Amino acid sequence: KQEVTQIPAALSVPEGENLVLNCSFTDSAIYNLQWFRQDPGKGLTSLLLIQSSQREQTSGRLNASLDKSSGRSTLYIAASQPGDSATYLCAVRDYGQNFVFGPGTRLSVLP
Amino acid sequence: GAVVSQHPSRVICKSGTSVKIECRSLDFQATTMFWYRQFPKQSLMLMATSNEGSKATYEQGVEKDKFLINHASLTLSTLTVTSAHPEDSSFYICSAIRTGEKLFFGSGTQLSVL
Repeated sequence: KQEVTQIPAALSVPEGENLVLNCSFTDSAIYNLQWFRQDPGKGLTSLLLIQSSQREQTSGRLNASLDKSSGRSTLYIAASQPGDSATYLCAVRDYGQNFVFGPGTRLSVLP
Repeated sequence: GAVVSQHPSRVICKSGTSVKIECRSLDFQATTMFWYRQFPKQSLMLMATSNEGSKATYEQGVEKDKFLINHASLTLSTLTVTSAHPEDSSFYICSAIRTGEKLFFGSGTQLSVL
């Protein structure tokens, strides 16, 4: 059974810092991995999608990497801003349509 | 980009009443939609998978008679919480998948049962 963990559970950084969020999964047979952002009381916004054949994806200040063999993905946020404060979740999808979410990392970027 | 619309965003109801939540894919056909429940500061918990034209598949521990799901068209799935009780108070989120690609989420519904 696939299990997804995220480290750290919470992170507080000053504005302008570069930071890395980690996502680990136990079964490397994944179809893709997706990173989401969730603001309090809101739905999820998709940030980046990495297919199993890809190593990384970039969007603006965000870069996500995938290492299937080690069961890891990282989300790198460059030059963090207070507006980046949110909970970040990763989710892995298997070759069916089964998604498993991590518990999330709560990020606070202090002005 | 693809958009999933969820309505209502917030609902307060009395215990014993039923509440319907709608989830619509606005610019793509979603053969599969998912319904999740989220408790404060916890991750999403999948409740059921909804396939257009067939019965929903419920996760273990989720009462199908309590949480009725109808996926009547390729753009609409509904979740009805029947005879709601305070313990059903939660944040409910739907999502839809465009064939082979990303999972798109609705904005969520905060249900409060008094």
